[in-house]
Amino acid sequence: QSAPTQPASVSGSPGQSISISCTGTNSDVGTYNLVSWYQLHPGKAPKLMIYEVSKRPSGVSNRFSGSKSANTASLTISRLQAEDEAEYYCCSYVGNSNVVFGGGTKLTVL
Amino acid sequence: QVHVQESGPGLVRPSETLTLKCSISNGSLGRSYWSWVRQAPGRGLEWIGYLSPHDTVNFDAPMRGRATMERDTSNNEVSLTLSFVTVADTAVYYCARHADGINYAHLDAWGQGVLVTV
Repeated sequence: QSAPTQPASVSGSPGQSISISCTGTNSDVGTYNLVSWYQLHPGKAPKLMIYEVSKRPSGVSNRFSGSKSANTASLTISRLQAEDEAEYYCCSYVGNSNVVFGGGTKLTVL
Repeated sequence: QVHVQESGPGLVRPSETLTLKCSISNGSLGRSYWSWVRQAPGRGLEWIGYLSPHDTVNFDAPMRGRATMERDTSNNEVSLTLSFVTVADTAVYYCARHADGINYAHLDAWGQGVLVTV
């Protein structure tokens, strides 16, 4: 199972909006509305930011939103803040009880 | 709120067997699917596999035949055992819970991870 493709890096200035794409296939992202997004800060536990494409867990800022079109899911962060600087990973169900993570994206807040 | 904490030996030699523990507090051990995920240096997250509430396991293809998982209810732990390790197994290993007791659900509780160097 190939990993969904994410840009290696994105950047933005405080207050701006950025989007991170997660491009899979019609065997994973395109078929299942089971895409989730995780935020990784060094030395800390990964944090669930979005699940089932666009749902936001309790306690996650409404600046984070998710969407999907065809085989590509996207995470959008609005009103960018310094604390958003981290790695972000998408994850998709791929059938047969398996999941696959995207390659990850390093977000830099300028 | 569930608390997850991984532990392990830190350093193992090639060809040896690696055993990691995941300590779980606040009572969701027996009702949830528990996955292990790892991140090798400079690489992305890689799903290893999960242990079900019924003690069945499912591993990603590259791990089959080399990985096992078990539950220790008395100590509120799940473990991951990886045999015949190589330098490619050097990574931070995370333990994480699948939400809602569903194996394909998102991972809603994670530990901070434990670094293993081979």
